[in-house]
Amino acid sequence: EIALTQSPGTLSLSPGERATLSCRASQSVSGNYLAWYQQKPGQAPRLLIYGASSRAAGIPDRFSGSGSGTDFTLTISRLEHEDLVVYYCQQYGSSPTFGGGTKVEIK
Amino acid sequence: EAQLVESGGGLVKPGGSLRLSCAVSGLAFRHTWMSWVRQAPGKGLEWVARIKTKSDGGTTDYGAPVKDRFIISRDDSKNTLYLQMNSLKTEDTAMYYCTKDKEDIGSWSAFDFWGQGTMVTVSS
Repeated sequence: EIALTQSPGTLSLSPGERATLSCRASQSVSGNYLAWYQQKPGQAPRLLIYGASSRAAGIPDRFSGSGSGTDFTLTISRLEHEDLVVYYCQQYGSSPTFGGGTKVEIK
Repeated sequence: EAQLVESGGGLVKPGGSLRLSCAVSGLAFRHTWMSWVRQAPGKGLEWVARIKTKSDGGTTDYGAPVKDRFIISRDDSKNTLYLQMNSLKTEDTAMYYCTKDKEDIGSWSAFDFWGQGTMVTVSS
């Protein structure tokens, strides 16, 4: 089973700033099959990025994904208030696993 | 737009059973791989089980913590996904989400549509 470690656990930023979230895998993710999700309080997660860098339908272009192998990054270019929630990475190169999450909070 | 609506959650004693249902509309259910993902209170996400389409053999797969206790199934005539949960443990307490597997060329998938979840509480 591939373990995913997300860092930092909490990121304190202001609206308009750039956010950089990290996801590191315990072994190489086959096919770079890495996804990112956003979860707002009391809601189900929403798919943002799949295949490490492809945006899901309807996702604003301020969200971007990059990386390969064991190191992946989600970047939010200019934070909006609604972006101050929790983000999870997931690998699906093998039996799916999720990272522990990064909470983006207001500074 | 796809809609996934879970039901069947509730309070059950350790060792008990529960069956969750997920009614799906707005997509070609019989042609879609489906999964269950759970989230313990205040915790992260955990994949539980996946079922492929009948045309892909109807193959089922399970996460290690639930293997041999949970059974995923589907009724394509009713556009409904199920999760039969047996020998429940306190650590199975979680919100259970029904999800649609995103079509991809790999053997596994990201999850591009989610229901709102149904809460399962295992407690004496």
